[in-house]
Amino acid sequence: GAGVSQSPSNKVTEKGKDVELRCDPISGHTALYWYRQRLGQGLEFLIYFQGNSAPDKSGLPSDRFSAERTGESVSTLTIQRTQQEDSAVYLCASSLAGALAPQHFGDGTRLSIL
Amino acid sequence: GESVGLHLPTLSVQEGDNSIINCAYSNSASDYFIWYKQESGKGPQFIIDIRSNMDKRQGQRVTVLLNKTVKHLSLQIAATQPGDSAVYFCAETRSGGYNKLIFGAGTRLAVHP
Repeated sequence: GAGVSQSPSNKVTEKGKDVELRCDPISGHTALYWYRQRLGQGLEFLIYFQGNSAPDKSGLPSDRFSAERTGESVSTLTIQRTQQEDSAVYLCASSLAGALAPQHFGDGTRLSIL
Repeated sequence: GESVGLHLPTLSVQEGDNSIINCAYSNSASDYFIWYKQESGKGPQFIIDIRSNMDKRQGQRVTVLLNKTVKHLSLQIAATQPGDSAVYFCAETRSGGYNKLIFGAGTRLAVHP
């Protein structure tokens, strides 16, 4: 079956521009997570959605970062006024509800800020 | 494309040898642990998990060992193959409604023929 899909796969933009990253989770997965992975590092948690609500936004680095989810499906991560430090791979994962449900990851969006 | 893990510690092994990748976790309250494999340009792929009420769990060619006393995890890969070359991450979480995974820094496994 289809896995987690993210778009675009690569994004290059100028400092100061806004970017929007999209995640299509596996159908039926009510939990959705965003992570950031800087070059040579592990993944950092950004935000968790259960359905369309985000009970944990604790990982969002600043108020330039926001995310939403609609229809208990697609999620969008928006970064406003991008900075060079925002350059990273942004990964989305989805899972069934439940404490021990394994997360399935997309291949990420590679964001480069010039 | 961008390559993850350029500055990660590297474990080099010969094809057919066994590999052991180690990880120290940070939170003594964590009770669920997962190993992921990440190939260049791809998202992490689930390998095996273990709950804190276990010391050892085996999968196909992989074994995870958990030592809660020293907060240490290891991943053993038997008969390592070239396709096992990737970056391996351990992740921890405290099961309680949802899995906010805390990832380790990762280890690159390089398998030589």
